[in-house]
Amino acid sequence: KAGVTQTPRYLIKTRGQQVTLSCSPISGHRSVSWYQQTPGQGLQFLFEYFSETQRNKGNFPGRFSGRQFSNSRSEMNVSTLELGDSALYLCASSSGQGFRGEQFFGPGTRLTVL
Amino acid sequence: AQKVTQAQTEISVVEKEDVTLDCVYETRDTTYYLFWYKQPPSGELVFLIRRNSFDEQNEISGRYSWNFQKSTSSFNFTITASQVVDSAVYFCALSDPTGNQFYFGTGTSLTVIP
Repeated sequence: KAGVTQTPRYLIKTRGQQVTLSCSPISGHRSVSWYQQTPGQGLQFLFEYFSETQRNKGNFPGRFSGRQFSNSRSEMNVSTLELGDSALYLCASSSGQGFRGEQFFGPGTRLTVL
Repeated sequence: AQKVTQAQTEISVVEKEDVTLDCVYETRDTTYYLFWYKQPPSGELVFLIRRNSFDEQNEISGRYSWNFQKSTSSFNFTITASQVVDSAVYFCALSDPTGNQFYFGTGTSLTVIP
């Protein structure tokens, strides 16, 4: 079974630009979650999607948004990039909704904002 | 509010030594879920274990063991006879009873020296 895939693996953007990251969950998984990992703030939950609906959201500004498609693939968008958005963005999928069970993580997208 | 504390930022041990990674959590909920994840240098988090708050049995899986003590709000992780491949960052995490929020600790970076 293929694991969670994230594209692209690396991105370099400049301040003010916007970026879209993509995540393909494990086949059959309907829940996709996004996390931001930085040296200063650690791993922080961004949002969770289940069956194309955003179920939960972490404490991030509205510049961070996402969506999920009918095939469970998810995209995350960050608009008006700031230097502090430089981070590793991790996507995870699970078979059920919520965080009671095991999440399977992708390799992440390393975003650098210059 | 929920919180996970991993006081040990970095640990170094010599191969074959035993090592314990500490995790202390805070929650007002009586039902919750605790997790450990491993993040090797490749960046992809790997699920190790899940424990719900009603199951205080300790668990052993090969060289790994977990000690869950509700009385001290701790969920510690021990690696016996450590190996170089155990070098990684280990995260303890907590989800609330609804499974709608997920909180990671700051992680403990373990280096096993050959």
